[in-house]
Order: sequence, then C-alpha cells, then structure tokens
Amino acid sequence: EVQLVESGGGLVQPGRSLKLSCAASGFTFSNYYMAWVRQAPKKGLEWVATISTSGSRTYYPDSVKGRFTISRDNAKSSLYLQMNSLKSEDTATYYCASIAAISNVMDAWGQGASVTVSS
Amino acid sequence: DIVLTQAPLSVSVTPGESASISCRSSKSLLSSKGITSLYWYLQRPGKSPQLLIYQMSNLASGVPDRFSSSGSETDFTLKISKVETEDVGVYYCGHRLEYPMDTFGAGTKLELK
Repeated sequence: EVQLVESGGGLVQPGRSLKLSCAASGFTFSNYYMAWVRQAPKKGLEWVATISTSGSRTYYPDSVKGRFTISRDNAKSSLYLQMNSLKSEDTATYYCASIAAISNVMDAWGQGASVTVSS
Repeated sequence: DIVLTQAPLSVSVTPGESASISCRSSKSLLSSKGITSLYWYLQRPGKSPQLLIYQMSNLASGVPDRFSSSGSETDFTLKISKVETEDVGVYYCGHRLEYPMDTFGAGTKLELK
C-alpha cells in the first residue's frame, strides 16, 4: 500500500524558516517524480514544487520561487520542502504527492502537514 | 497561464440521482502528443485529494464507474451517476499542460439534499 506521511509542520513567525518532510513507502520512491501542493484555510489547491526522480531538476511557481527548496533522499525514500522567509500567506496545509509516470498526474497524496505563519 | 473555471460553485443532489460539474479552460488542453491534460480530484471533508480521472476520461484505479468525464479541448464535464453519501466533498479539475506546473480550478462543492 502506498503511504506518504508528512511531518514538520507547526507555528512559525513571519520571516523564519521551516522544513517539511514526507516519508514514502509502498512503492519504488526513486522512480517517481514528487511534488508539494498546499491548501490555504478554506481555499483551493495550489501547486508549490516538483522534483525529478534524481533530484537534479526542480520546479516552482513564482509565488515561492527563491524562498522554497524541494529536495529528496532516495536512499531514505524521503521528500523535503525547505521554506524560508515565510509569509502569512504561506499559511496552509502542505501535501506531498507522487506523480505517476503513465498518467503523469499526482495519484497518491499524504494526509498533509499544517503550517501557520503568524507572530 | 491557462485558467480553469469550474461551475457551479456548489451543487446539491438527491442520493441516487446524477450530478454534473463543468470545467472550462482558457486555452486548449490538447497536448502535442494528442493527450488531453485534464484531471479530476475529489477532496472529501477533512481528507486529502483523491484522483478520480486523468487524461480527461481515464478512470483512476479503484474509482467506481459511476464517475465519468468527457469534453472537448476546452470544455469538460464530470458526471457522477447515482450519487452516494461517500461522493460528498469538493471536486477539483486540474491540468498539467504547462508541464511541470499544475493548475487547479477553484473547486465545486457537492452536497446531498
């Protein structure tokens, strides 16, 4: 069974940093592109970052580019999101997701990690 | 950027009846490979999104065939036949035509009467 478990969320002050982790199991992690998607309270879904299988290619929307860094450790089957210079608008639940090669969509999601940016 | 517009914002359905949700794209979602890059997710209350449909009309694994999707290059419809209690939640369309960026619609909330 595919499992994605996020951790590392919490309350952080504006301007500070936080690192999220996602532990993967039940599939060959190193064969999958991975992504982070966030959802602000009572809002819709927003793509945050994508990383290639080797980690050599990363992609971000303008809203987080230069502040967030996605990375992975294939030996540990783990995905990370380093978030720097956090703003109040970064407050959201952050989901990690695996991207299926055949369908090229996010086909499995974690339960989410809550991040609140507030003083 | 390609924008997806969903309608209606919310829909109320009697159990056992059908429901349809529309998703309109500001540009064609047909890729150069002939694949329509449109997918649907259901987010049940308090849960993470679940993939329902990919490449416009392909049912994801484990999804009941009460769900179906069709459309053109810019206009798409998710149909849920014989709505059940477990179908309650917010439905999102999305696309990945501008790879690797994912763009989602604003969501349509389905409730039961």
